Amino acid sequence: NAGVTQTPKFRVLKTGQSMTLLCAQDMNHEYMYWYRQDPGMGLRLIHYSVGEGTTAKGEVPDGYNVSRLKKQNFLLGLESAAPSQTSVYFCASSYFLSRMMGIRANQPQHFGDGTRLSIL
Amino acid sequence: AQTVTQSQPEMSVQEAETVTLSCTYDTSESDYYLFWYKQPPSRQMILVIRQEAYKQQNATENRFSVNFQKAAKSFSLKISDSQLGDAAMYFCAYRSASSNSGYALNFGKGTSLLVTP
Repeated sequence: NAGVTQTPKFRVLKTGQSMTLLCAQDMNHEYMYWYRQDPGMGLRLIHYSVGEGTTAKGEVPDGYNVSRLKKQNFLLGLESAAPSQTSVYFCASSYFLSRMMGIRANQPQHFGDGTRLSIL
Repeated sequence: AQTVTQSQPEMSVQEAETVTLSCTYDTSESDYYLFWYKQPPSRQMILVIRQEAYKQQNATENRFSVNFQKAAKSFSLKISDSQLGDAAMYFCAYRSASSNSGYALNFGKGTSLLVTP
């Protein structure tokens, strides 16, 4: 059981290059999230998805795009990388949360090990 | 959006002693969940403890316990009998019970805990 796997773990880009970060989870989770972590800033939500084929913006979505074509995968794209996007990126996933359905919303998010991205 | 504040950027504790990390949050909601995550140098995000706002009883997990004061919007983490392996960055996080933001976590900026022998 791998949990949440992020690919790659490290990457260096030049300004203007594009790339895609892959997040894969094998827990059949409905919800998936992308966060970025910057020194002194904690983790901030970039985009999230509540199910296959659906995505939504988080707190800091500018410069990023996402796709969730398969339930187990959540892709984060940088179309034209900028130095301000140098960060550590975390993917997380969780079960569908609804107290109405008897599924308690205290279920934690499961995190990947992060991707360190440097943009020169 | 809810704001989570960790006012202590760094804390230090001696091995075997007790330390308390503070966390306050700002919300108008009555139903929500609070979490403490630990991030060691390996960068993993490890859940330490969770608290449901509608429960008055403070959560406890082995050496880790919380002091949840709902009226004061305070959620502090107490680590007893500190061990060298407790050294890490600790994040307080808030999750709404409504689905407006997909139940995403709002994180504080973190407290770096140093444990000295």
